[in-house]
Amino acid sequence: AAGVIQSPRHLIKEKRETATLKCYPIPRHDTVYWYQQGPGQDPQFLISFYEKMQSDKGSIPDRFSAQQFSDYHSELNMSSLELGDSALYFCASSLEGNQPQHFGDGTRLSIL
Amino acid sequence: GQQLNQSPQSMFIQEGEDVSMNCTSSSIFNTWLWYKQDPGEGPVLLIALYKAGELTSNGRLTAQFGTTRKDSFLNISASIPSDVGIYFCAGQLSRQLTFGSGTQLTVLP
Repeated sequence: AAGVIQSPRHLIKEKRETATLKCYPIPRHDTVYWYQQGPGQDPQFLISFYEKMQSDKGSIPDRFSAQQFSDYHSELNMSSLELGDSALYFCASSLEGNQPQHFGDGTRLSIL
Repeated sequence: GQQLNQSPQSMFIQEGEDVSMNCTSSSIFNTWLWYKQDPGEGPVLLIALYKAGELTSNGRLTAQFGTTRKDSFLNISASIPSDVGIYFCAGQLSRQLTFGSGTQLTVLP
């Protein structure tokens, strides 16, 4: 079965640069979520979208923004990158209506 | 914000043994989920629980949604080497998942 696809798998940036992470949800899933996982930490919710509209907002910094497109894929845009942004970034998708979230394999972002 | 207390933090067990881990919260959740995460990969859904008191099995895994909606446990029976990994509980309210801090499971041959 098709899973959540994230790209790129690895990304290296320098401080103050920008980055864009992409997420392609499971087919027919209409809700997309973004999480950040620091080393040895549990995933922290950033933001979610349902039917291309932002639905919930968590601990997403103002330097980050995200959107969901008409084909339901989502992009997380990160600007003015800081050393502390180094982490695994996961995308998850689900069907609306309290259905369980399924995660991609993440993008490992390293800031030098 | 909501916090989940997951215990134990780590476990070392012999192959074939049973293992149990649990999560408690000060807040109620509508859904409890259990995920397993291997290094460098995303969390994989093991079991989802939707109703207070619900007991659900998935092969050697059994999980329960506490009657107060503030806790859940996961049991793994007859552990095997591939059970090694980090197990996370997660509570869901609205569309957000709040994760526990994880249980690192090591299975010794």
